[in-house]
Amino acid sequence: RKEVEQDPGPFNVPEGATVAFNCTYSNSASQSFFWYRQDCRKEPKLLMSVYSSGNEDGRFTAQLNRASQYISLLIRDSKLSDSATYLCVVNPAYSSYKLIFGSGTRLLVRP
Amino acid sequence: GAGVSQSPSNKVTEKGKDVELRCDPISGHTALYWYRQSLGQGLEFLIYFQGNSAPDKSGLPSDRFSAERTGGSVSTLTIQRTQQEDSAVYLCASSLGSGSYEQYFGPGTRLTVT
Repeated sequence: RKEVEQDPGPFNVPEGATVAFNCTYSNSASQSFFWYRQDCRKEPKLLMSVYSSGNEDGRFTAQLNRASQYISLLIRDSKLSDSATYLCVVNPAYSSYKLIFGSGTRLLVRP
Repeated sequence: GAGVSQSPSNKVTEKGKDVELRCDPISGHTALYWYRQSLGQGLEFLIYFQGNSAPDKSGLPSDRFSAERTGGSVSTLTIQRTQQEDSAVYLCASSLGSGSYEQYFGPGTRLTVT
């Protein structure tokens, strides 16, 4: 079983739609969680950290469910520019410095 | 300010040749990571440097891979006797610290072994 699992998609949605991605992780003692965004043939960039209480940044909302070991990302009012691959990233309990990256969920926002 | 830079951006090499990939981290960042990303795959951890501590080389896939970081700054990843399965994008990242600190990625080196 992979340490971090994501639905690869693609999720194909119209502009203005709300879309949500989930990601599951296997190590229940994992400490830190993130969503990174990766545009086609570009490097990953941090989108947002995921806090236990959940957090919101504009149109983006991230949630953590420790009991079920998943994190989610909700994007409201999708824009064409949101088209990218979204990487779920976990800092596992067995390492203070490693980040485990999921394979990513691809989002396509159409006009 | 300047971000993480990597060179070359693209490298095509023949099977069996050695290659060197370079990473210039953000100034002041003590942590440096190398990852490999194959087509359609997630990032695979290769090696981690933190200050003057011994690096974590646990992700290096074989003894053909080695890396060093000189003076706590620039890093080079060397692949000896390249194989076709080494073809991938090699990404370098740096951060102020480790774990919960944001990692800033360079643009990567796309390696193709023919």
